[in-house]
Amino acid sequence: DIQLTQSPSFVSASVGDSVTITCRASQAISSYLAWYQQKPGKAPKLLIYGASTLQSGVPSRFSGSRSGAEFTLTISSLQPEDFATYYCQQLISYPWTFGQGARVEIK
Amino acid sequence: EVQLLESGGGLVLPGGSLRLSCAASGITFSSYAMSWVRQAPGKGLEWVSAITGNEADTYYADSVKGRFTISRDNYKNTLYLEMNNLRAEDTAIYYCAKEPGGYYEVSGLLDVWGKGTTVTVSS
Repeated sequence: DIQLTQSPSFVSASVGDSVTITCRASQAISSYLAWYQQKPGKAPKLLIYGASTLQSGVPSRFSGSRSGAEFTLTISSLQPEDFATYYCQQLISYPWTFGQGARVEIK
Repeated sequence: EVQLLESGGGLVLPGGSLRLSCAASGITFSSYAMSWVRQAPGKGLEWVSAITGNEADTYYADSVKGRFTISRDNYKNTLYLEMNNLRAEDTAIYYCAKEPGGYYEVSGLLDVWGKGTTVTVSS
């Protein structure tokens, strides 16, 4: 199975800050990567797919990029509603595994 | 508006069985592959099982293979997860989720999620 490792696991940031979360795959997955946001007590929400394509309705302060087997999710100008846990997921092969999550908290 | 509503969760003894349902509305249900994803208390997301829109193909995580069965009724717009021989480690919130497409194949991408139903396996 493909392992995804997210870093950092925890980020403390302030409103207005820029935050970057990294997801590294254990093997090549091309751009078959998605990012999800999950708020406490809620279901996950799709943010980005294809490593960098924003899902409809997602604010443009969210962006995704890829460099080889390393993927980044960047939230520019963090808003109060962005404090949540973020998961990456690989989509190149079954089983479709998730990273362990990265929690963004208010400083 | 697409809505997915899970039901069927509850408290069950180790070794017991449970059937989860997920009722879909606002979509042509048969056009989309569907998945179950679970989240143990305080833990991350774990993909559990998926099925194509045409019901031809099913997929399972190793952790549930041989114990869980995914199915769907495209006339009733409902997805199911039959869970047998339940273990304590199956305790989790179970979410159903749809793909953007997938009549013939599963991609794994999940664009709409239900609110989840809680399964607790304990004596």
